[in-house]
Amino acid sequence: DQQVKQNSPSLSVQEGRISILNCDYTNSMFDYFLWYKKYPAEGPTFLISISSIKDKNEDGRFTVFLNKSAKHLSLHIVPSQPGDSAVYFCAVEGGTSYGKLTFGQGTILTVHP
Amino acid sequence: DTAVSQTPKYLVTQMGNDKSIKCEQNLGHDTMYWYKQDSKKFLKIMFSYNNKELIINETVPNRFSPKSPDKAHLNLHINSLELGDSAVYFCASSLRGGAAHEQYFGPGTRLTVT
Repeated sequence: DQQVKQNSPSLSVQEGRISILNCDYTNSMFDYFLWYKKYPAEGPTFLISISSIKDKNEDGRFTVFLNKSAKHLSLHIVPSQPGDSAVYFCAVEGGTSYGKLTFGQGTILTVHP
Repeated sequence: DTAVSQTPKYLVTQMGNDKSIKCEQNLGHDTMYWYKQDSKKFLKIMFSYNNKELIINETVPNRFSPKSPDKAHLNLHINSLELGDSAVYFCASSLRGGAAHEQYFGPGTRLTVT
């Protein structure tokens, strides 16, 4: 049972445009949401997070939006840069799984110059 | 100056063998993790240790045995390797448990069982 889904396996955008990555989850008890970025042959690195008491968190070019009623999370990158090309994973925590992150299967983002 | 290191980076072995993957973190973190990334690219937690104490143990075959000699190290020993164990294994650490504490990942160990 996939509790966290990233339905788009890949996304391609032009440099300077906005990239929007989406994530859906099933358990309304989840209360902490994160995005990780992964380059080939490296481990994931933390990007940005949001707790369930907020609906938006911004850090430079990266903004995470949380829609609790829709159980939907999104990451906006604007403006997108070629160096943003990577795999992006959303992850959730909470409910009965405190301390345990559950990851989506990732979305490959390619930013073209 | 690597924060979380794993050895080896690649491991090719035959079914039935026993192998170990080592993980070390120099961040002074209290909590360490092992994740498995399978062929479908899902990252799934296997184990979590806090100050050498096991706190998360997911549904993992008991052929997998983590060992934490001190809080800077969390090694993964796998007995009687099977084809389905082929995956990339990531070690991670965080200051403390809980998602509010960022997890730092190692580069991964690609295990291939033939």
